[in-house]
Amino acid sequence: ETGVTQTPRHLVMGMTNKKSLKCEQHLGHNAMYWYKQSAKKPLELMFVYSLEERVENNSVPSRFSPECPNSSHLFLHLHTLQPEDSALYLCASSQDHSWSVYGYTFGSGTRLTVV
Amino acid sequence: DQQVKQNSPSLSVQEGRISILNCDYTNSMFDYFLWYKKYPAEGPTFLISISSIKDKNEDGRFTVFLNKSAKHLSLHIVPSQPGDSAVYFCAARGSGSARQLTFGSGTQLTVLP
Repeated sequence: ETGVTQTPRHLVMGMTNKKSLKCEQHLGHNAMYWYKQSAKKPLELMFVYSLEERVENNSVPSRFSPECPNSSHLFLHLHTLQPEDSALYLCASSQDHSWSVYGYTFGSGTRLTVV
Repeated sequence: DQQVKQNSPSLSVQEGRISILNCDYTNSMFDYFLWYKKYPAEGPTFLISISSIKDKNEDGRFTVFLNKSAKHLSLHIVPSQPGDSAVYFCAARGSGSARQLTFGSGTQLTVLP
């Protein structure tokens, strides 16, 4: 499989649940990103990993916890979320965090609904 | 405060005509601009880009224009096709160490047959 793969595609969770989103890229990229897309709003950058090290954390609440065990995999662990966290969560990768001239390759996203 | 703005949430165009999508930015340190296209249930895909040292870049039916003095860029699609119907996001790359992309809120383009 090629590109950036995200699972699950859809997730419904209660506010007391713990769940994880998974992202996998087969492009040999060394930077990975989590973005949040809410309706009618810009894509919001949440986390950036470069060579498995977190290089950016855009004031994201601690109920979102990223993990990057290797350059091909990225997780977003979720716990005690709020209904306003319902959104499309997009994973992306790029060749190099500091030179993303070719842009990012995005996954199809996980549509998260918090009830 | 949004650094990249797409003020038109939607645009409808007749097939065969020109589609013009606009984007404004506030940060003069952005050095590269990109357009992404997103179909429902899919992630955004890279469409076309332009460096801040240029004012035009063309790729087939797609042309991006950059007006640095006005901090404005636009995407022209000629001729528009029904398959172009999608959400288009404008993005800008920061300079220096913060080189990640900042996105606009997107414009839904509908090309009518």
